[in-house]
Parts: sequence; C-alpha cells; structure tokens
Amino acid sequence: ILNVEQSPQSLHVQEGDSTNFTCSFPSSNFYALHWYRWETAKSPEALFVMTLNGDEKKKGRISATLNTKEGYSYLYIKGSQPEDSATYLCAFQDDYKLSFGAGTTVTVRA
Amino acid sequence: DAGVIQSPRHEVTEMGQEVTLRCKPISGHDYLFWYRQTMMRGLELLIYFNNNVPIDDSGMPEDRFSAKMPNASFSTLKIQPSEPRDSAVYFCASSFTQGLGEQYFGPGTRLTVT
Repeated sequence: ILNVEQSPQSLHVQEGDSTNFTCSFPSSNFYALHWYRWETAKSPEALFVMTLNGDEKKKGRISATLNTKEGYSYLYIKGSQPEDSATYLCAFQDDYKLSFGAGTTVTVRA
Repeated sequence: DAGVIQSPRHEVTEMGQEVTLRCKPISGHDYLFWYRQTMMRGLELLIYFNNNVPIDDSGMPEDRFSAKMPNASFSTLKIQPSEPRDSAVYFCASSFTQGLGEQYFGPGTRLTVT
C-alpha cells in the first residue's frame, strides 16, 4: 500500500477567499499524480493529471503544482465559490494503478 | 458517450446471500478498475483488468470476492457469501492506454448487507 497523504483533512473557507492544500506521495517509481474532485452523492471526476516535475495545471480558478523530487503537490482554489465545495482527492500513479489519498473536504461558506 | 454504467445503484441484501455488481466501461477503454469506498479505508482498489485480463487482484479482501470481465464491455464483481462488513459503495472506473491514465468513474453501487 502506497502512502499518499493529504492535509488538511477538511477546511472551511469564506466565499471569495483563496485556499490551498497538500498531497504528499512517494518520490520513487513516479509515473503521474492525479487530482480528482468528488462532490457529495456523485462520483470522482478527474481535474488534472501531472507527470513532470514542475508541472503546473490550471482549470478556471483551480490550479495545481507538482514537485516530484520532494514528493508533493499543491492544489489552489482562487476566489472560492459555493460550487467549489467538494472533496478533493489526489492519487499517485505507478503503471496504471492509482493509490488515492483520503482527500481534503472543502466547504465554502457564502 | 453515456460514461461508465453501473448496476444496480443500490443493493440491500441479507448476510449470506450472493451479490453481483455490474459495470459497463466506456467504449474503447481497455482498462477497468473496481474500487470500494468506506469511511474507514477511503477509496481502495480491489482489482483491475487490461484487455479483459485481470492484472492485479491484490486488493480483493478475501476469497468471498471474485471479479470477471468476459468481454470488453462488461464486468462483474461478485460477493458470495456477503457479510455486513462488505457494506460500502463500490465504484467501477475505466481508462484507456493512449490517455494520461485518468480514470472515469461510474456512479457507484451502494451495497448494504444486513
């Protein structure tokens, strides 16, 4: 079992504020790092797949960075909106298998 | 494309009964994954297939669990006999070799064993 850790476990943010959270993963046998967004009562949806050290990905107000040498990735939400409320999962990929972290649950208060 | 399809969406059964969960992956995808989601263990991989062949079943909890993929468009996860601790949401996901490895998840089957 690969050790993929996410912190914090949960956070509350005021609408309009920006926030970020962390995923740490093994730095060996790295193939890719995934971020998924998981809304309540739905299924996880892929946000980003990052493969290269220094990768930065952006989708709207959400962006992510990757440091494979030290084994961490940050996900940023700029100007949080209520619709950003969800659990954000990161997953470490070796070959075609994903090992998921426990997730960071974001609640955006209006 | 309809996405990954799972059935049933909800299943309630009594301990000792056989349970069969079904999955239809996205057409053209050659990888299929079965996951179990629980509060205690989060999202854990049970087994995955490539071109209908099981590649890694190390996550299957015990012999009561079995999975098959008879063709590229259908897979089953069977639990026999079921136990209350099997209660969880079971997700199926698919991906394709030519992609970046991102997986597309089905809606899940919520299993309750009483």
